[in-house]
Amino acid sequence: DGGITQSPKYLFRKEGQNVTLSCEQNLNHDAMYWYRQDPGQGLRLIYYSQIVNDFQKGDIAEGYSVSREKKESFPLTVTSAQKNPTAFYLCASSMGGSSVNQPQHFGDGTRLSIL
Amino acid sequence: RKEVEQDPGPFNVPEGATVAFNCTYSNSASQSFFWYRQDCRKEPKLLMSVYSSGNEDGRFTAQLNRASQYISLLIRDSKLSDSATYLCVVNRNRGSTLGRLYFGRGTQLTVWP
Repeated sequence: DGGITQSPKYLFRKEGQNVTLSCEQNLNHDAMYWYRQDPGQGLRLIYYSQIVNDFQKGDIAEGYSVSREKKESFPLTVTSAQKNPTAFYLCASSMGGSSVNQPQHFGDGTRLSIL
Repeated sequence: RKEVEQDPGPFNVPEGATVAFNCTYSNSASQSFFWYRQDCRKEPKLLMSVYSSGNEDGRFTAQLNRASQYISLLIRDSKLSDSATYLCVVNRNRGSTLGRLYFGRGTQLTVWP
């Protein structure tokens, strides 16, 4: 059945290490998004992509990188430059296009912690 | 000023109560509106879209007031399973480019027996 799959569910990062979070969707959605959520806080947008081979920075892109080589996939790399990476990371997708009334659907998230 | 403001609560209500959440948004160019529900340590899930004329889905009623830039969610006959955080979400396009969603910090609801 269709949906968004994030992996791994839990991830631990060592100091100075880059880690990559996976996000795959089989909903045939054009747009994909990465958010970060800290305890008791709202969702903050890291990066988003409207179509393959294109992406834009969100509000907190520093220390993160993304790629969109395939429509189904939008991996997020948390680099060593991100000094406070511990958070709940959520990937979402939506149909995109010109319609404005498009809700986003979320994967079940990855919890990243520093060792 | 934040794009979307919500009362964080918490709201603690008994089963069967009616509870209302409010939300304001700062940008009058906002074009579509949603309520999401987020359970503890889980992903947000779409509860309902909010239409200009107001809309209802079972025990849930959403209202939009564009003039006041105000959105509300009413839950009637609260159930224990309604306990969650409710996120107010606003979408705003930018010309021909895809818009993005702006999330409120959420309002926490606990329904007790």
